[in-house]
Amino acid sequence: KAGVTQTPRYLIKTRGQQVTLSCSPISGHRSVSWYQQTPGQGLQFLFEYFSETQRNKGNFPGRFSGRQFSNSRSEMNVSTLELGDSALYLCASSLGDSPNEQFFGPGTRLTVL
Amino acid sequence: GENVEQHPSTLSVQEGDSAVIKCTYSDSASNYFPWYKQELGKGPQLIIDIRSNVGEKKDQRIAVTLNKTAKHFSLHITETQPEDSAVYFCAATKTSYDKVIFGPGTSLSVIP
Repeated sequence: KAGVTQTPRYLIKTRGQQVTLSCSPISGHRSVSWYQQTPGQGLQFLFEYFSETQRNKGNFPGRFSGRQFSNSRSEMNVSTLELGDSALYLCASSLGDSPNEQFFGPGTRLTVL
Repeated sequence: GENVEQHPSTLSVQEGDSAVIKCTYSDSASNYFPWYKQELGKGPQLIIDIRSNVGEKKDQRIAVTLNKTAKHFSLHITETQPEDSAVYFCAATKTSYDKVIFGPGTSLSVIP
């Protein structure tokens, strides 16, 4: 069974640009959650999508948005990039039912210059 | 909302010794507590989990205990090996549709 895949693995952008990250969940999983990981802040929850609907949302500004497609693949978009957005962005997939057992992808390392 | 604390933030042990990482949670309604291991350059990997109706769970050298009254749970690794060196995260969540809240992580170093 293939694991969670994320593309691209590495990305370099400049301030003010926008970026789109992609996540393909494990086959059969309907929930995709996104996290931002930085050395000082740990794993911060961004949002979760389940069956194409945002089910949960963290405390990030509106520059961070996401969506999920009918095949459960998800994309995350960050507009007007800031230096502080440099981080490892992780997505995790789960069946979406109890318990919420999540499986993580390898992450996308975003560097904002 | 839920808050998860984790201690210690760093831990060094000699190979063969045991390692213990402790977490506390704030929401008494939380009922699922997973533990993740993150190696350098990789995403977190689920290594063990426990549900609120169970007090202890063991998988080879790894065990997790849960004290619902005190709202804390712990990860125990026995006979540590160098490949156990990684960052470990505890987490808590309430229901299938609730977000998972992670602790800040513990960097474990096993010294050969």
